[in-house]
Amino acid sequence: EVQLVESGGGLVQPGGSLRLSCPASGFLFSSYWMSWVRQAPGKGLEWVANINPDGSEKHYVDSVKGRFTISRDNAKNSLYLQMNSLSAEDTAMYYCGRVWQWLCDSWGQGTLVTVSS
Amino acid sequence: DIQMTQSPSTLSASVGDRVTITCRASQSISSWLAWYQQKPGKAPKLLIYQASSLESGVPSRFSGSGSGTEFTLTISSLQPDDFATYYCQHYDRYSWTFGQGTKVEMK
Repeated sequence: EVQLVESGGGLVQPGGSLRLSCPASGFLFSSYWMSWVRQAPGKGLEWVANINPDGSEKHYVDSVKGRFTISRDNAKNSLYLQMNSLSAEDTAMYYCGRVWQWLCDSWGQGTLVTVSS
Repeated sequence: DIQMTQSPSTLSASVGDRVTITCRASQSISSWLAWYQQKPGKAPKLLIYQASSLESGVPSRFSGSGSGTEFTLTISSLQPDDFATYYCQHYDRYSWTFGQGTKVEMK
């Protein structure tokens, strides 16, 4: 069974940083693209970033380029999202997901990031 | 950038109803279209991929159709477990774009 468990969310001040983690199990992590998707409170889904199996190819939504960095550690079966220069617009539930045929077929339960002073 | 527009935003229906949700792309996306179901407080669940392929384990009352710029998700006979929000998604190697969602609520 695929398991993805996000952690690292919390309350952070505007301009601050946060690092999300997503350890994975139940599948061969090093063979899959992985993704982060977020959802602001009461709003729809927004794709954030994808990363290829060896970490050499990364893609981001324009609104986070230069501020967020997706990475992975295949030895630890873990996905990460380093978030810098956070603003209120980044407040959301952040989900990590396994990518299959260029879409997300398995999701974690999410971790909530709140940016507020 | 490709924009995805769903309609309606909210749909009121009863158990047993046939329900159709539409998703339009701002330019042709071939069949690179998925549908997800999301319930409050839960992660989305993949229902349909490649516009019309049913994900394993998803009930056959769900179906998808379309290609190019216009797509539909149909629930042939709405069940109590189907009241939820549905999202379409364009996907490719480089980016994903979601529709704004359609909430299916009880009439």
